Amino acid sequence: EAGVAQSPRYKIIEKRQSVAFWCNPISGHATLYWYQQILGQGPKLLIQFQNNGVVDDSQLPKDRFSAERLKGVDSTLKIQPAKLEDSAVYLCASSFRTGEPEQYFGPGTRLTVT
Amino acid sequence: QKEVEQNSGPLSVPEGAIASLNCTYSDRGSQSFFWYRQYSGKSPELIMFIYSNGDKEDGRFTAQLNKASQYVSLLIRDSQPSDSATYLCAVNVGPGTASKLTFGTGTRLQVTL
Repeated sequence: EAGVAQSPRYKIIEKRQSVAFWCNPISGHATLYWYQQILGQGPKLLIQFQNNGVVDDSQLPKDRFSAERLKGVDSTLKIQPAKLEDSAVYLCASSFRTGEPEQYFGPGTRLTVT
Repeated sequence: QKEVEQNSGPLSVPEGAIASLNCTYSDRGSQSFFWYRQYSGKSPELIMFIYSNGDKEDGRFTAQLNKASQYVSLLIRDSQPSDSATYLCAVNVGPGTASKLTFGTGTRLQVTL
């Protein structure tokens, strides 16, 4: 079974530029999560999708972050414009359905904003 | 008060010893509890979850939950150098589609030879 795929793995941009991350969850997983993990901290949930609907985006900085999962499969997370404090690893995870104990994480995208 | 609190460590234990990792949480409505292991530069990997008060054992790992004290712990028996990693405690509040995981900052474990 293929795992959660993410790209790119690394990205360096200047502040005020835009960036997009892509995630493809495990086949058949209805729930998809985007987390932000700043160095030395635990992952923080940014947004949670159930199929193509948003379940929770309460911690997503909506003035600069956006995410979509149009066909209920893969998802993109965008930051525009980026700030220095956005430097972090962006993790995508999926689970068969919301509330399932196991969330499977992708390898993450390490973003550096200079 | 943070929702999920962990000592950042590092916790250093000799090879073969028992490592004890602790976590407290603030929301009494929390329903399920998870331990993830994260190697440096890698993504988190689920190693244990527990829903009910008491102990749950899986190989060398034992999760312990005390909802009255809002406390969950992870014991690693016969610690190995390969257990050296950051251990993240995560708590799930809310049923069904409203549930989401809140993570602690993690405890770094070092198993020494």
